Amino acid sequence: KAGVTQTPRYLIKTRGQQVTLSCSPISGHRSVSWYQQTPGQGLQFLFEYFSETQRNKGNFPGRFSGRQFSNSRSEMNVSTLELGDSALYLCASSLYSWGGGRNTEAFFGQGTRLTVV
Amino acid sequence: DAKTTQPPSMDCAEGRAANLPCNHSTISGNEYVYWYRQIHSQGPQYIIHGLKNNETNEMASLIITEDRKSSTLILPHATLRDTAVYYCIVRAGSNDYKLSFGAGTTVTVRA
Repeated sequence: KAGVTQTPRYLIKTRGQQVTLSCSPISGHRSVSWYQQTPGQGLQFLFEYFSETQRNKGNFPGRFSGRQFSNSRSEMNVSTLELGDSALYLCASSLYSWGGGRNTEAFFGQGTRLTVV
Repeated sequence: DAKTTQPPSMDCAEGRAANLPCNHSTISGNEYVYWYRQIHSQGPQYIIHGLKNNETNEMASLIITEDRKSSTLILPHATLRDTAVYYCIVRAGSNDYKLSFGAGTTVTVRA
């Protein structure tokens, strides 16, 4: 069974540009969550998508957005990139929505390492 | 949200059992304990989770005290590939919509 696939693995962008990251969840999983990991802040929750709807959002500015397609694949977009957006972006795949009242596990991809210069 | 306390680091000899403690003294009755680990620059890997009873899978065992205020993750035969940061996370009930990662325990397995 294939795991969570994130593309690209590495990305270098310039300040002010925008970027789109992709996440393909485990087959059959309908929830995709996104996390940002930096040395200073650790792993922080960005948002969760379930059945093409954003269910929950963390404390990040509106420059961070996402969407989910009917096949459960998800994309995350960051506009007007800042140096502080340099981080490892992780997506996690779950069978159920985390806020849906069920116990579930999250399986993470290998992440996309974004460097903003 | 319930908080967890873990030692910042610990060493373990290869082939020996590694016992990783976690304190979650404010845990509530419907809150699950999850363990993940992260090997350098990779995505976190799910290990195990539990509510009240002890749990075992092919990777590890999770021992939760009767009062649920602490738990121990046991890696029965540590290998060098088990060197990683281990995170103990309490999910604040079935409506908690995220995993709240703390600083974790850096485990170094030595030959």
